[in-house]
Amino acid sequence: AQSVTQLDSQVPVFEEAPVELRCNYSSSVSVYLFWYVQYPNQGLQLLLKYLSGSTLVESINGFEAEFNKSQTSFHLRKPSVHISDTAEYFCALNKLVFGAGTILRVKS
Amino acid sequence: DAEITQSPRHKITETGRQVTLACHQTWNHNNMFWYRQDLGHGLRLIHYSYGVQDTNKGEVSDGYSVSRSNTEDLPLTLESAASSQTSVYFCASSEAGGTQFFGPGTRLTVL
Repeated sequence: AQSVTQLDSQVPVFEEAPVELRCNYSSSVSVYLFWYVQYPNQGLQLLLKYLSGSTLVESINGFEAEFNKSQTSFHLRKPSVHISDTAEYFCALNKLVFGAGTILRVKS
Repeated sequence: DAEITQSPRHKITETGRQVTLACHQTWNHNNMFWYRQDLGHGLRLIHYSYGVQDTNKGEVSDGYSVSRSNTEDLPLTLESAASSQTSVYFCASSEAGGTQFFGPGTRLTVL
């Protein structure tokens, strides 16, 4: 069985502060991990993905995530957030299993 | 430009009625997926297809069916709509191992 757990339902943070959104997974098969972002009333957009190779993956807008096999984690980080990063973020495993989502609220 | 579309964007129906939600993609992707999104549950997989004539059940497939007669379309049918099926439905497509692209969603209300 496969599962994804996002440990925080909401994360409030001030603008320009660092943030980490946590994701843990469970799988008995090979893992491909994804982070998606959803802005209000829109569909999901891919933020970054880990398929193989380097365990640290980056997105074009400053987010990064590190695949940690021993801790079965794929946490999403950004060193300095902007108001425009306010959205809901989903961690996904093998395109078939999604976490419950984490709402990131960036405050000025 | 290639895209993935869903119709209708909003639908209100009554319990017991059959409802079909359309999903159409012009990426020529083999893989297509249907999810429902509910508060506190994230996205849950309903059905998916890896090619024409191929369909597979997901985590929450009861009460839903799909058919794949061509590459571009994967319609989702609710055989007899129930209030528990009130949700936002997302369709997605991808190539094997490739990026998954999501449609804009259909908001379905079952009264």
